[in-house]
Amino acid sequence: QVQLQESGPGLVKPSQTLSLICTVSGGSITSGGYYWTWIRQHPGKGLEWIGNINYSGSTNSNPSLKSRLTMSVDTSQNQFSVNLTSVTAADTAIYYCARDYGRGRLIDLWGQGTLVTVSS
Amino acid sequence: DIVLTQTPLSSPVTLGQPASISCRSSQSLVHSDGNTYLTWLQQRPGQPPRILIYKVSHRFSGVPDRFSGSGAGTDFTLKISRVEAEDVGIYYCMQATQFPPLTFGGGTKVEIK
Repeated sequence: QVQLQESGPGLVKPSQTLSLICTVSGGSITSGGYYWTWIRQHPGKGLEWIGNINYSGSTNSNPSLKSRLTMSVDTSQNQFSVNLTSVTAADTAIYYCARDYGRGRLIDLWGQGTLVTVSS
Repeated sequence: DIVLTQTPLSSPVTLGQPASISCRSSQSLVHSDGNTYLTWLQQRPGQPPRILIYKVSHRFSGVPDRFSGSGAGTDFTLKISRVEAEDVGIYYCMQATQFPPLTFGGGTKVEIK
């Protein structure tokens, strides 16, 4: 069955760029018309939607992060990615990738999550 | 953005007894297409969230029937008819009616007494 796996540095310095990749296995990133999603969870806190992207590159972003956010998709590698610039300690969180049937109406599959700490 | 307020923050429950979680929205979650995009998620300790209920009351595939969702407009409820040990975790409501962004409730912790 389809699985999602996040990867990327666990430690990022303040003011630098956080970059994560989500690899989709067991199915094609281009099938099903899904939107591929990023959600984060600050330590011990609730959930925050970051944004999503479909296989053709159409995106939706959280307005609170939009100025610092870039998302992309690599269909040849069956991966999608997120870049968040000018990070601060407030960006320390577990970052999850997930699969969304569209506009957040059915997010049915999640990766295990990866902890990113912003610290010098 | 739509604000979702969950109560209680914590719910200690005896095994086999029911539990109920409330989610109140700052605005109606009825979409112009007639649907209400309110989802319930479960996050067990150390695990990612998983979907339980979508569109208020539709149980996702594989979810036990002791979980049920109800509500309309701005007030929604998740009920567990008989709590089992594996139900321990944090439960979140999430709205997708006014998108973007998706927004989440603050979470309700279900624990065993």
